[in-house]
Amino acid sequence: NAGVMQNPRHLVRRRGQEARLRCSPMKGHSHVYWYRQLPEEGLKFMVYLQKENIIDESGMPKERFSAEFPKEGPSILRIQQVVRGDSAAYFCASSPPMGETQYFGPGTRLLVL
Amino acid sequence: SQKIEQNSEALNIQEGKTATLTCNYTNYSPAYLQWYRQDPGRGPVFLLLIRENEKEKRKERLKVTFDTTLKQSLFHITASQPADSATYLCALPPGGYNKLIFGAGTRLAVHP
Repeated sequence: NAGVMQNPRHLVRRRGQEARLRCSPMKGHSHVYWYRQLPEEGLKFMVYLQKENIIDESGMPKERFSAEFPKEGPSILRIQQVVRGDSAAYFCASSPPMGETQYFGPGTRLLVL
Repeated sequence: SQKIEQNSEALNIQEGKTATLTCNYTNYSPAYLQWYRQDPGRGPVFLLLIRENEKEKRKERLKVTFDTTLKQSLFHITASQPADSATYLCALPPGGYNKLIFGAGTRLAVHP
């Protein structure tokens, strides 16, 4: 059973470009969470999605950030017009319905030049 | 305000000793608390979950306690090994569903 997959593992963007981060949850998992980790800081919750629904986006900046988890395909975290402050590691986690444990992917390290 | 606090300084111990890491929280009443391990450049890996009605839970060399009165969890690694060196994160669900709030983590270094 493959774990949570994220791609790309590393992404370099120039200021003003768009970043698209993908997350494929574990098989059988319908809940996806996105977290951001700045250097030397803890994980910060961004958004919680179920298939075709955003359940909680309270941790996501109001502008430039969006997330989706379509019926088919991976979950996407999209950052428009990136700025240097967006440079961080972005982790995706998944859990089964009613599951309490979250299984994390390897993360995408975004560097904005 | 709601906070989760872990020892910010790195913990250095000798191989074979017991490592004890602390997680304190304020203004939460979590139904459970979790501990994760994170290695550099990798995603967190789940270790243990302890519920509010459990005082202690063990898994191999790991032991977690949960004191809801003190609002504190202790994480112990007995007979520590250099391979246990990593950052350990505590996490809890702030609401009625599974979103997690994480502490900043404590870095553990086990020296041979």
